[in-house]
Amino acid sequence: DADVTQTPRNRITKTGKRIMLECSQTKGHDRMYWYRQDPGLGLRLIYYSFDVKDINKGEISDGYSVSRQAQAKFSLSLESAIPNQTALYFCATRTGRNTGELFFGEGSRLTVL
Amino acid sequence: SQKIEQNSEALNIQEGKTATLTCNYTNYSPAYLQWYRQDPGRGPVFLLLIRENEKEKRKERLKVTFDTTLKQSLFHITASQPADSATYLCALLPLGGYNKLIFGAGTRLAVHP
Repeated sequence: DADVTQTPRNRITKTGKRIMLECSQTKGHDRMYWYRQDPGLGLRLIYYSFDVKDINKGEISDGYSVSRQAQAKFSLSLESAIPNQTALYFCATRTGRNTGELFFGEGSRLTVL
Repeated sequence: SQKIEQNSEALNIQEGKTATLTCNYTNYSPAYLQWYRQDPGRGPVFLLLIRENEKEKRKERLKVTFDTTLKQSLFHITASQPADSATYLCALLPLGGYNKLIFGAGTRLAVHP
């Protein structure tokens, strides 16, 4: 089983719908992240959380919200999806060590029509 | 403005040759750089980290250099193989960046038999 699991892997939805992407991890890491990847652009940070009571905005948080339900679970919501939120979304985890690498999930491809 | 740039054009090389990928950054003072590999439809996977006070790091056929004067990191794969074909991402942690990695858009490498 994957250490970082994302669901759904693919989703097609319509403008205005509410969408939730879920992430769970078995690595025991405190730090969890949501990134968005678009062609020609780097991974961009949406939100991150250092523990259950700590939620922080990244560089592109507008239109998104998150919930850290437990140490192992971090979900991303689009309250009212719009077409320019069509992208590949990645969840990642990391240890508290400053030089620790990110461990990514397999990604959730979202298409908003 | 702050930028981290990788060559957007794919790099095509023959099997057995050395592949060299470039990561340039502007207006950042990095604490370190990381390199990741990403296969199509998969999440990035960590390869190497190099700190700002290190000139070179090696791991098997991989070598990373870091020149803070040129503001550049080079990623080398020696004796390249078709299995090395993937997109390679560099990621930078700015000093005082509070664990928020900044990613380049990646360079696609194609190794031909």
